[in-house]
Amino acid sequence: QVQLQESGPGLVKPSETLSLICTVSGYSISSGYYWSWIRQPPGKGLEWIGTIYHSGSTYHNPSLESRVTLSVDTSENQFSLKLSSVTAADTAVYYCAREILGLRNSAYGYWGQGTLVTVSS
Amino acid sequence: DIVMTQSPDSLAVSLGERAAINCKSSQSVLHSSNNKNCLAWYQQEPGHPPKLLISWASTRESGVPDRFSGSGSGTDFTLTITSLQAEDVAVYYCQQYCSSPLTFGGGTKVEIK
Repeated sequence: QVQLQESGPGLVKPSETLSLICTVSGYSISSGYYWSWIRQPPGKGLEWIGTIYHSGSTYHNPSLESRVTLSVDTSENQFSLKLSSVTAADTAVYYCAREILGLRNSAYGYWGQGTLVTVSS
Repeated sequence: DIVMTQSPDSLAVSLGERAAINCKSSQSVLHSSNNKNCLAWYQQEPGHPPKLLISWASTRESGVPDRFSGSGSGTDFTLTITSLQAEDVAVYYCQQYCSSPLTFGGGTKVEIK
């Protein structure tokens, strides 16, 4: 079955870059579907960050677009997120997810467990 | 951006009773290519990622109990839980996937009365 696992530092200093990797097992990223990052500040709702396809095509939330870099490594079956110039407002649980409809804009049927990233000096 | 507004923020329902959660979009989420509503519902238990319950407004995912149902069209949608069970205590979110940026409702917390 499809499994996703986020990894990366749990603490990032303000103004630095947050970097996370999502490792996928049970399905090859190269086989299709779109792969996304979604975050959730503590006690709050969900925010879509961006989506990547195995070809490298990327789609970002305009509210974060200038700070977000998405990339994919099909050889490692991983995709990654970089968020630059972070502030305390970027403190959140970050989830990687896979959609289920084969569409760039889609619903998410597979999620990682999430990783809490705290921005603090 | 399409704004998704859920109501109520929370509700307490007795075991075995019906719970209804509303979701309203700021514009129609009718998909142009297939005339279906691009609206999903998720359940999130504390400390866990969201779980997809329903897509296309009313299509239940495999393994989701049939006490969960989705209805609505255009801009107004409802998630109904008939005969609430203890394991249904969670926060429920709606999400539109018609247009980018994808957006979620603020969530509705369901508790046992």
